[in-house]
Amino acid sequence: QSVLTQPPSVSAAPGQNVTISCSGSSSNIGNNYVSWYQQLPGAAPKLLIYDNNKRPSGIPDRFSGSTFGTSATLGITGLQTGDEADYYCGTWDNSLGAGGVFGTGTKVAVL
Amino acid sequence: EVQLVESGGGLVKPGGSLRLSCAASGFTFRNYGMNWVRQAPGKGLEWVSSLGSSGNNIYYADSVKGRFTISRDNTKNSLYLQMNSLRADDTAVYYCARDSTISGVVTSFDYWGQGTLVTVSS
Repeated sequence: QSVLTQPPSVSAAPGQNVTISCSGSSSNIGNNYVSWYQQLPGAAPKLLIYDNNKRPSGIPDRFSGSTFGTSATLGITGLQTGDEADYYCGTWDNSLGAGGVFGTGTKVAVL
Repeated sequence: EVQLVESGGGLVKPGGSLRLSCAASGFTFRNYGMNWVRQAPGKGLEWVSSLGSSGNNIYYADSVKGRFTISRDNTKNSLYLQMNSLRADDTAVYYCARDSTISGVVTSFDYWGQGTLVTVSS
């Protein structure tokens, strides 16, 4: 059972903007870097955002990340049909059973 | 080009064992921490285990602790996951993934393999 909560789905028309929230706690998001992953159908996850708001080489600036307290947000501007995928937040959790944690995942649908 | 190629998946009966391998290339393997992440059919990502670059700093998810063992061979550029006492809920695609930095602190996973399917069923 994931300790990071995301909305199950978001949708928007091409060209519009969407945001995906990721809610955690002080033992994870509140004290560790957050990353975001995109998983296209049938493919392995791909790193989109690391260290809360940095983009790896090759990731367009339409994707952005931010954090505030124990929550994180992924923003996608100018939505494209190719953005239709599952998105996951991830971080480290410092609680007793320390380890990595992922969000519940959000399906982005382009209408 | 960084490549991670998993192997060793397959069909195994409940209570059985399986050893997954991840062959790494295109980077200095011994400098990076490595991880296993799994995804049950139709479900989300679940972190399984992390291992530091020199074989220290080992972490396991509670769901696999005591049953799975992560290891690496830096001379063979390979990561392993020994899975014992397998259960039906271990059925998933297992991905190996590289730490994004060589700092030793797990912050994100920048490269992923294509995954190998493990099915636990009688």
